[in-house]
Amino acid sequence: TQLLEQSPQFLSIQEGENLTVYCNSSSVFSSLQWYRQEPGEGPVLLVTVVTGGEVKKLKRLTFQFGDARKDSSLHITAAQPGDTGLYLCAGEIVGNYQLIWGAGTKLIIKP
Amino acid sequence: NAGVMQNPRHLVRRRGQEARLRCSPMKGHSHVYWYRQLPEEGLKFMVYLQKENIIDESGMPKERFSAEFPKEGPSILRIQQVVRGDSAAYFCASSPTAPFGTSKADGYTFGSGTRLTVV
Repeated sequence: TQLLEQSPQFLSIQEGENLTVYCNSSSVFSSLQWYRQEPGEGPVLLVTVVTGGEVKKLKRLTFQFGDARKDSSLHITAAQPGDTGLYLCAGEIVGNYQLIWGAGTKLIIKP
Repeated sequence: NAGVMQNPRHLVRRRGQEARLRCSPMKGHSHVYWYRQLPEEGLKFMVYLQKENIIDESGMPKERFSAEFPKEGPSILRIQQVVRGDSAAYFCASSPTAPFGTSKADGYTFGSGTRLTVV
């Protein structure tokens, strides 16, 4: 069974603080995607990382793919209330049609 | 340029009835995926279809569930004789290319989902 463990499951912090969300697995992924989901909506793709060690930045969000392509992290700098949402990671495995999903991190940024 | 369209957004069915969920992929996308999401959880893969073909249905229960993606029209996820445990959000996603081996995957475009409530 391929698992993608995402942590923390829930995080509530004050505006302006920094945070990191982790996704870890024993499986090697050909790519790993990060999504954000608002209540009542579908997930929206934030970024795809493909190469081991790759770092991508999206404004205040920094995504990193582990060297061995088994783990990834999402770091948010100076969080804002607009960052509130459910963050999901999903890994793609070569030869497998399915995306393997983490259980999500529910993030609340308090003003 | 419309995204992935799902309807209905909300569906209430009594136990034993049938539920039909529709998904129209993005223009130019010929690959459709159905996922199920329980509250506060990640998504669980159900089925992957291309036009007129089911490619992988390993995540879909063998009984009561079926999916199709006809040559013309939307993809349909059909649940017969619904039970309370079928209550969930069902999401459809589409992509322009096959999912595996795409080292430059662009990710999936998801619809807004259908929230099925079985009473």
